[in-house]
Amino acid sequence: GAVVSQHPSWVICKSGTSVKIECRSLDFQATTMFWYRQFPKQSLMLMATSNEGSKATYEQGVEKDKFLINHASLTLSTLTVTSAHPEDSSFYICSARTSARFSGELFFGEGSRLTVL
Amino acid sequence: QKEVEQNSGPLSVPEGAIASLNCTYSDRVSQSFFWYRQYSGKSPELIMSIYSNGDKEDGRFTAQLNKASQYVSLLIRDSQPSDSATYLCAPNQAGTALIFGKGTTLSVSS
Repeated sequence: GAVVSQHPSWVICKSGTSVKIECRSLDFQATTMFWYRQFPKQSLMLMATSNEGSKATYEQGVEKDKFLINHASLTLSTLTVTSAHPEDSSFYICSARTSARFSGELFFGEGSRLTVL
Repeated sequence: QKEVEQNSGPLSVPEGAIASLNCTYSDRVSQSFFWYRQYSGKSPELIMSIYSNGDKEDGRFTAQLNKASQYVSLLIRDSQPSDSATYLCAPNQAGTALIFGKGTTLSVSS
Protein backbone atom coordinates (compact mmCIF):
# COMPACT_ATOMS: atom_id res chain seq x y z
CA GLY A 1 0.00 0.00 0.00
CA ALA A 2 0.87 3.63 -0.23
CA VAL A 3 3.17 5.07 2.38
CA VAL A 4 3.05 8.54 3.84
CA SER A 5 5.93 9.57 6.04
CA GLN A 6 6.00 12.40 8.56
CA HIS A 7 8.88 14.03 10.32
CA PRO A 8 9.54 14.70 13.12
CA SER A 9 7.53 12.27 15.21
CA TRP A 10 8.02 14.29 18.35
CA VAL A 11 8.95 17.89 18.83
CA ILE A 12 9.22 20.04 21.91
CA CYS A 13 9.68 23.76 21.51
CA LYS A 14 9.57 26.94 23.50
CA SER A 15 6.62 29.28 23.29
CA GLY A 16 7.05 31.82 20.52
CA THR A 17 9.19 29.66 18.27
CA SER A 18 8.19 28.12 14.95
CA VAL A 19 8.08 24.45 14.13
CA LYS A 20 8.07 22.79 10.71
CA ILE A 21 6.54 19.39 10.09
CA GLU A 22 7.22 17.53 6.84
CA CYS A 23 4.91 15.11 5.12
CA ARG A 24 6.12 12.97 2.24
CA SER A 25 4.43 10.51 -0.04
CA LEU A 26 7.02 7.80 -0.56
CA ASP A 27 5.75 5.73 -3.46
CA PHE A 28 3.18 7.87 -5.17
CA GLN A 29 2.58 11.43 -6.24
CA ALA A 30 0.08 13.33 -4.15
CA THR A 31 -1.36 16.42 -5.75
CA THR A 32 -3.42 16.92 -2.61
CA MET A 33 -2.54 16.32 0.99
CA PHE A 34 -4.63 16.93 4.08
CA TRP A 35 -3.54 18.13 7.49
CA TYR A 36 -5.41 17.09 10.60
CA ARG A 37 -5.02 17.97 14.25
CA GLN A 38 -6.07 15.82 17.16
CA PHE A 39 -6.29 16.91 20.79
CA PRO A 40 -6.30 14.26 23.52
CA LYS A 41 -9.40 12.08 23.54
CA GLN A 42 -10.90 14.01 20.62
CA SER A 43 -11.42 13.13 17.00
CA LEU A 44 -9.32 14.17 14.08
CA MET A 45 -10.16 17.66 12.93
CA LEU A 46 -9.34 18.70 9.40
CA MET A 47 -7.18 21.82 9.41
CA ALA A 48 -6.43 22.39 5.75
CA THR A 49 -6.12 20.92 2.32
CA SER A 50 -2.71 21.30 0.76
CA ASN A 51 -2.64 21.61 -3.02
CA GLU A 52 0.55 21.16 -5.02
CA GLY A 53 1.57 24.39 -6.67
CA SER A 54 -1.22 26.50 -5.21
CA LYS A 55 -2.43 27.94 -1.95
CA ALA A 56 -3.79 25.72 0.75
CA THR A 57 -7.46 25.74 1.64
CA TYR A 58 -8.07 26.22 5.33
CA GLU A 59 -11.04 25.07 7.36
CA GLN A 60 -13.10 27.56 9.24
CA GLY A 61 -11.44 28.69 12.42
CA VAL A 62 -7.92 27.70 11.38
CA GLU A 63 -5.58 30.68 11.12
CA LYS A 64 -3.75 30.53 7.82
CA ASP A 65 -1.06 32.93 9.02
CA LYS A 66 -0.32 30.76 12.01
CA PHE A 67 -0.35 27.41 10.24
CA LEU A 68 1.64 27.89 7.07
CA ILE A 69 1.32 25.15 4.51
CA ASN A 70 3.60 24.70 1.55
CA HIS A 71 3.15 22.00 -1.07
CA ALA A 72 6.04 22.68 -3.38
CA SER A 73 6.30 19.25 -4.98
CA LEU A 74 4.14 16.25 -5.70
CA THR A 75 5.69 14.33 -2.83
CA LEU A 76 6.18 16.92 -0.10
CA SER A 77 3.93 19.14 1.97
CA THR A 78 5.07 21.07 5.01
CA LEU A 79 3.15 22.56 7.91
CA THR A 80 4.82 25.32 9.87
CA VAL A 81 3.34 26.31 13.19
CA THR A 82 4.45 29.89 13.63
CA SER A 83 4.90 31.54 17.02
CA ALA A 84 3.74 28.40 18.74
CA HIS A 85 1.97 28.61 22.08
CA PRO A 86 1.04 25.93 24.59
CA GLU A 87 -2.50 25.72 23.20
CA ASP A 88 -0.99 24.58 19.89
CA SER A 89 0.29 21.44 21.58
CA SER A 90 -1.41 18.64 19.73
CA PHE A 91 -1.00 15.62 17.48
CA TYR A 92 -0.65 16.75 13.87
CA ILE A 93 -1.26 14.18 11.18
CA CYS A 94 -0.92 14.50 7.44
CA SER A 95 -2.62 12.33 4.90
CA ALA A 96 -2.89 11.80 1.19
CA ARG A 97 -4.88 9.81 -1.27
CA THR A 98 -4.19 8.48 -4.71
CA SER A 99 -7.61 7.74 -6.01
CA ALA A 100 -6.38 6.36 -9.29
CA ARG A 101 -4.27 3.66 -7.70
CA PHE A 102 -5.82 3.00 -4.36
CA SER A 103 -9.54 3.48 -4.80
CA GLY A 104 -9.66 6.67 -2.83
CA GLU A 105 -8.36 5.44 0.51
CA LEU A 106 -6.75 8.12 2.63
CA PHE A 107 -3.32 7.13 3.89
CA PHE A 108 -2.00 8.73 7.04
CA GLY A 109 1.47 9.63 8.13
CA GLU A 110 2.73 8.52 11.51
CA GLY A 111 1.81 11.84 13.07
CA SER A 112 3.85 14.52 14.80
CA ARG A 113 3.29 15.22 18.45
CA LEU A 114 4.00 18.84 19.26
CA THR A 115 4.54 20.04 22.79
CA VAL A 116 4.96 23.76 23.33
CA LEU A 117 6.43 24.75 26.66
CA GLN B 1 -21.46 19.87 5.76
CA LYS B 2 -21.02 16.23 6.49
CA GLU B 3 -21.72 15.03 10.01
CA VAL B 4 -20.78 11.66 11.32
CA GLU B 5 -22.27 10.22 14.46
CA GLN B 6 -20.76 7.39 16.43
CA ASN B 7 -21.36 6.15 19.94
CA SER B 8 -18.17 7.16 21.71
CA GLY B 9 -18.33 4.21 24.07
CA PRO B 10 -16.39 2.70 25.60
CA LEU B 11 -17.77 -0.49 24.18
CA SER B 12 -16.56 -3.36 26.31
CA VAL B 13 -16.68 -6.96 25.10
CA PRO B 14 -15.02 -10.12 26.34
CA GLU B 15 -12.41 -11.85 24.27
CA GLY B 16 -13.98 -14.02 21.59
CA ALA B 17 -17.23 -12.07 21.43
CA ILE B 18 -18.61 -10.06 18.54
CA ALA B 19 -18.13 -6.31 18.72
CA SER B 20 -20.66 -4.20 16.83
CA LEU B 21 -19.81 -0.63 15.93
CA ASN B 22 -22.32 1.72 14.35
CA CYS B 23 -22.13 4.94 12.41
CA THR B 24 -24.67 7.29 10.87
CA TYR B 25 -23.91 10.11 8.51
CA SER B 26 -25.79 13.14 7.33
CA ASP B 27 -24.96 13.65 3.67
CA ARG B 28 -26.44 11.70 0.79
CA VAL B 29 -23.58 12.33 -1.61
CA SER B 30 -20.94 10.05 -0.17
CA GLN B 31 -20.58 6.89 -2.20
CA SER B 32 -18.11 4.93 -0.16
CA PHE B 33 -17.17 4.55 3.47
CA PHE B 34 -14.06 3.78 5.39
CA TRP B 35 -13.44 2.31 8.78
CA TYR B 36 -10.17 3.27 10.42
CA ARG B 37 -8.64 1.92 13.59
CA GLN B 38 -6.58 4.19 15.80
CA TYR B 39 -4.50 2.92 18.66
CA SER B 40 -3.76 5.35 21.44
CA GLY B 41 -1.02 7.74 20.44
CA LYS B 42 -0.89 6.49 16.86
CA SER B 43 -2.29 7.67 13.57
CA PRO B 44 -5.32 5.96 12.00
CA GLU B 45 -4.96 2.92 9.81
CA LEU B 46 -7.50 1.74 7.27
CA ILE B 47 -9.14 -1.56 8.07
CA MET B 48 -12.18 -1.66 5.80
CA SER B 49 -13.70 0.16 2.89
CA ILE B 50 -17.18 -0.43 1.52
CA TYR B 51 -18.68 0.96 -1.63
CA SER B 52 -21.97 -0.85 -2.17
CA ASN B 53 -25.04 -1.54 -0.10
CA GLY B 54 -24.87 -4.80 1.76
CA ASP B 55 -22.09 -6.63 3.52
CA LYS B 56 -18.39 -6.85 2.89
CA GLU B 57 -16.29 -9.35 4.77
CA ASP B 58 -12.55 -9.32 5.32
CA GLY B 59 -11.26 -11.86 7.79
CA ARG B 60 -12.82 -11.18 11.17
CA PHE B 61 -14.25 -7.87 10.01
CA THR B 62 -17.59 -7.31 8.29
CA ALA B 63 -18.75 -3.90 7.16
CA GLN B 64 -22.41 -3.29 6.43
CA LEU B 65 -23.73 -0.36 4.45
CA ASN B 66 -27.27 0.93 4.02
CA LYS B 67 -27.21 4.10 1.97
CA ALA B 68 -30.95 4.63 2.19
CA SER B 69 -30.72 4.73 5.97
CA GLN B 70 -27.37 6.53 5.88
CA TYR B 71 -25.97 3.89 8.17
CA VAL B 72 -22.77 1.90 8.17
CA SER B 73 -21.56 -0.62 10.71
CA LEU B 74 -18.54 -2.73 11.50
CA LEU B 75 -18.67 -6.15 13.10
CA ILE B 76 -15.58 -7.68 14.62
CA ARG B 77 -15.87 -11.40 15.20
CA ASP B 78 -13.78 -13.31 17.72
CA SER B 79 -12.65 -10.06 19.30
CA GLN B 80 -9.10 -10.02 20.60
CA PRO B 81 -7.45 -7.74 23.16
CA SER B 82 -5.36 -6.39 20.28
CA ASP B 83 -8.59 -5.05 18.76
CA SER B 84 -8.85 -2.59 21.65
CA ALA B 85 -8.66 0.79 19.95
CA THR B 86 -10.79 3.64 18.73
CA TYR B 87 -12.67 2.95 15.52
CA LEU B 88 -13.40 5.84 13.20
CA CYS B 89 -16.02 5.86 10.50
CA ALA B 90 -15.68 8.21 7.53
CA PRO B 91 -17.94 8.79 4.53
CA ASN B 92 -15.94 9.34 1.40
CA GLN B 93 -16.15 11.51 -1.66
CA ALA B 94 -13.37 11.20 -4.19
CA GLY B 95 -10.89 14.03 -4.04
CA THR B 96 -12.06 15.50 -0.76
CA ALA B 97 -10.80 15.15 2.76
CA LEU B 98 -12.38 12.67 5.11
CA ILE B 99 -14.50 14.02 7.92
CA PHE B 100 -14.42 11.79 10.94
CA GLY B 101 -16.81 11.15 13.75
CA LYS B 102 -15.59 11.09 17.31
CA GLY B 103 -14.98 7.38 17.03
CA THR B 104 -16.00 4.46 19.19
CA THR B 105 -13.56 3.20 21.77
CA LEU B 106 -13.54 -0.58 21.96
CA SER B 107 -12.12 -2.46 24.91
CA VAL B 108 -11.70 -6.22 24.63
CA SER B 109 -11.02 -7.93 27.92
CA SER B 110 -9.12 -11.20 28.15
